[in-house]
Amino acid sequence: QVQVLESGPGLVTPSETLSLTCAVSGGSINSYYWSWIRQPPGKGLEWIGHIYYSGSTTYNPSLKSRITTSVDTSKKQLTLKLSSVTTADTAIYYCARASGPPHHWFAPWGQGTLVIVSS
Amino acid sequence: QSVLTQPPSASGTPGQRVTISCSGSSSNIGSNTVNWYQQLSGTAPKLLIYSNNVRPSGVPDRFSGSKSGTAASLAIRGLQSEDEADYYCASWDDSLNGFVIFGGGTKLTVL
Repeated sequence: QVQVLESGPGLVTPSETLSLTCAVSGGSINSYYWSWIRQPPGKGLEWIGHIYYSGSTTYNPSLKSRITTSVDTSKKQLTLKLSSVTTADTAIYYCARASGPPHHWFAPWGQGTLVIVSS
Repeated sequence: QSVLTQPPSASGTPGQRVTISCSGSSSNIGSNTVNWYQQLSGTAPKLLIYSNNVRPSGVPDRFSGSKSGTAASLAIRGLQSEDEADYYCASWDDSLNGFVIFGGGTKLTVL
């Protein structure tokens, strides 16, 4: 069964760019949407955006100006870049396979990777 | 950016039936399906219900979902101690260029 695993730096300096990778295993990356979702410590979930295996994207309007995502089907990897980070971007970042339209559900989820924005 | 409205907490005793509500608007729940996620303490969320009322394989039939108008609800019958978790509803919102919107989450305590 498909599994996803996020990885990243753990600590990012304010104003810098956060960069995360999601590795997909046990299944194909093709023909699926893939989403990034984050959760500040002790708070709720926030959808960041999704990317189709072909590369087309849809982003959360509140983050759109700072987000770049990409997919490498040969490596079965997804990447998320979030620019100009602040302490408000401190969160657990999850990668999940997505159903895409019209239902937009997420399964499975990765275990998440904690990113702390601090100087 | 507003979220779907859920009660922050809910509780019940083992064996009871509990429901968790999720209120939205015409641009999200009113025109799109609702999904529910369960997040056990210290773990990643897990899909519990999709497309309003469909249980993924492996989810006990004690869990059920429904939707009416701009509101949805999750029902858990025969409450068990392992059901203690945070529950989130989510839906697509058609405003702007479209995005996924989550509820604020409901912490369910099994007394």
